[in-house]
Amino acid sequence: QSALTQPASVSGSPGQSITISCTGTSSDVGGYKFVSWYQQHPGKAPKVMIYEVTNRPSGVSNRFSGSKSGNTASLTISGLQAEDEADYYCSSYTSSYTVFGGGTKLTVL
Amino acid sequence: QVQLVQSGAEVKKPGSSVKVSCKASGGTFSSYTINWVRQSPGQGLEWMGGIIPIIGIANYAEKFQGRVMITADKSTSTAYMELSSLRSEDTAVYYCARVVTGDGAFDIWGQGTMVTVSS
Repeated sequence: QSALTQPASVSGSPGQSITISCTGTSSDVGGYKFVSWYQQHPGKAPKVMIYEVTNRPSGVSNRFSGSKSGNTASLTISGLQAEDEADYYCSSYTSSYTVFGGGTKLTVL
Repeated sequence: QVQLVQSGAEVKKPGSSVKVSCKASGGTFSSYTINWVRQSPGQGLEWMGGIIPIIGIANYAEKFQGRVMITADKSTSTAYMELSSLRSEDTAVYYCARVVTGDGAFDIWGQGTMVTVSS
């Protein structure tokens, strides 16, 4: 049950697109379709942005999209906005346990 | 709309135990799973375990096996997480979070409970 690997930080200017990667193994990310992404602003509880690799919950902007290839999942945010500045975490559910990534701090320049 | 309301902040001595509650407000447990996730200061999210309240079966992360117990009281729609043998490294915000379907996504989170372990 090792943590998934994410870049510590990414940055982009308003209007640009960024992608955050999340690398696991064939025992978690690569073996299941249950990858989720969470956004967390300082002092707040996380909020689910993507579930089952590509699905957006109701109310989440379509600027957020997810994908997966092999053992690596990705979150793409297009048309960056100041309010997107936050920490982002991926998670993988394996039917017996859940594992999170270490988190990525997104800075909007 | 269901909300998860957690108990208040705790300060504990090393070696003691803490029990944090999570009450479903505006609904019942139904058939979903309640999970516990912690976040140490300035650090990332860490899954501790979860329980299916209607059947009372819990599973735990390997790291916390033997030191954590997750229970649920269906009559009050409340889940509990008890962590024992506390050490300073257990200082963290503890969240409960709901999973409705089998996709493992945490769609509703509690507000978090700060647990401080200090002598």
